[in-house]
Amino acid sequence: DAGVTQSPTHLIKTRGQHVTLRCSPISGHKSVSWYQQVLGQGPQFIFQYYEKEERGRGNFPDRFSARQFPNYSSELNVNALLLGDSALYLCASSPDIPLTEAFFGQGTRLTVV
Amino acid sequence: DAKTTQPPSMDCAEGRAANLPCNHSTISGNEYVYWYRQIHSQGPQYIIHGLKNNETNEMASLIITEDRKSSTLILPHATLRDTAVYYCIVRVGISGGYQKVTFGTGTKLQVIP
Repeated sequence: DAGVTQSPTHLIKTRGQHVTLRCSPISGHKSVSWYQQVLGQGPQFIFQYYEKEERGRGNFPDRFSARQFPNYSSELNVNALLLGDSALYLCASSPDIPLTEAFFGQGTRLTVV
Repeated sequence: DAKTTQPPSMDCAEGRAANLPCNHSTISGNEYVYWYRQIHSQGPQYIIHGLKNNETNEMASLIITEDRKSSTLILPHATLRDTAVYYCIVRVGISGGYQKVTFGTGTKLQVIP
């Protein structure tokens, strides 16, 4: 079985640009969550989606948005990138809400220069 | 949100039991305690979760105190591959089905040969 896949694995963007990160959950999983992990810190919750609806939101500015598609894959969008957005972005999928045995992808390493 | 407190680092001799504590003194009655670990450069991996009874699976045991204000994750026979950052998480459920997950600071466990 394929695990949670994220793309791209690494990317470099310039301050002020826009970025889209993608996540494909494990087959059969309907819930996708996004996390930001800054170097040396624990993951910080950004969003959770279930059945294409937003079910949870962390303390992130409106520059961060996400959506979930009918096939349960998800995109995280970040506008007007700041240097502080440089981080590892993790996607987790789980069969249902609540967050039980969530399975994480390997993450996308975003560097903003 | 219930907050968790963990020691920043611990050492454990290979083959010995690793006991990782977590304090969650403000936990609510219907909140679960989850443990995840993150090996360097990988996404977090689910280990175990519990409400108030002790739990055991093939990876670890979880001991929750009777007042639920603290818990201990036990790796019975630590190996070098258990070297990782271990996160204690309290799952928060907000009315309306929203979920917000807060990772703690994590404990960096170093297993020593």
